[in-house]
Amino acid sequence: QAVVTQEPSLTVSPGGTVTLTCGSSTGAVTSGHYPYWFQQKPGQVPRTLIYDTSNKYSWTPARFSGSLLGGKVALTLSGAQPEDEAEYYCLLSYSGPWVFGGGTKLTVL
Amino acid sequence: EVQLVESGGGLVQPGGSLRLSCAASGFTFSNYWMNWVRQAPGKGLEWVANINQDGSEKYYVDSVKGRFTFSRDNAKNSLYLQMNSLRAEDTAVYYCTTSPSTSIDYWGQGTLVTVSS
Repeated sequence: QAVVTQEPSLTVSPGGTVTLTCGSSTGAVTSGHYPYWFQQKPGQVPRTLIYDTSNKYSWTPARFSGSLLGGKVALTLSGAQPEDEAEYYCLLSYSGPWVFGGGTKLTVL
Repeated sequence: EVQLVESGGGLVQPGGSLRLSCAASGFTFSNYWMNWVRQAPGKGLEWVANINQDGSEKYYVDSVKGRFTFSRDNAKNSLYLQMNSLRAEDTAVYYCTTSPSTSIDYWGQGTLVTVSS
C-alpha cells in the first residue's frame, strides 16, 4: 500500500503563516486522491478541516486553506493562533482504501 | 445529539479474537459510508477499513486483510469489526467514524484494544 509523507514537525510564530505538505509514494498527489486534512489536539478525537483538496466545512476557521502544490497537497495556515498548535494529518484515497500521512506536529511559538 | 459509541475493546492474547461494535444515533446512519480508524499509543492515525451504505462494498488496509471483517446492520444503526489472529501491532484505540465525508464529521470516543500475553 502507498506511503503518505508529511513533515514531522513545523513551528510558526503567532500571526505567522505556515504550509504543511503531504506527498504520496505512488507519484504526484492529485484531486483524484480526494485529499483531506485533519487536526488532532492532545486527548481529543480528530476533527476534519478540509475535504477534496481545498473545500472547507462550516466549522473550519477561515485561516486554513488547502491546495495542490508541486505534486503534493498543502494545508496553509495564515495568521496562526495559539489554539492551532496540534497534530495535523492528511488522508488520501487510493481508489477504495485510504491512507493517512504520518502527521505533522505544529508548534505555535 | 449525534453519538457514536464503540464497545468491545479489551486485553487479548496474540492470536486471539475480539469483536468491536459501534452504535450510532442522531443522524441517518444508513446514508453514509462508515470507517474504522485506529491510533496506537503515542502514534499517528491509521485508517483501517470502510464500508458503504448497504454493506456491499468494503476496503481494508493491507495489514488487516484476511484477519478483520467489517459489517453493518442498518436496522440496528450499528457497525461491527470482527478482529481475528490479533497481533501486538494491532494494539490501538479504535475509532468508528463517518470521516472521511464531504458533509459530516462524527467520531466515537474510541475503544482500546491491547494485544499482549
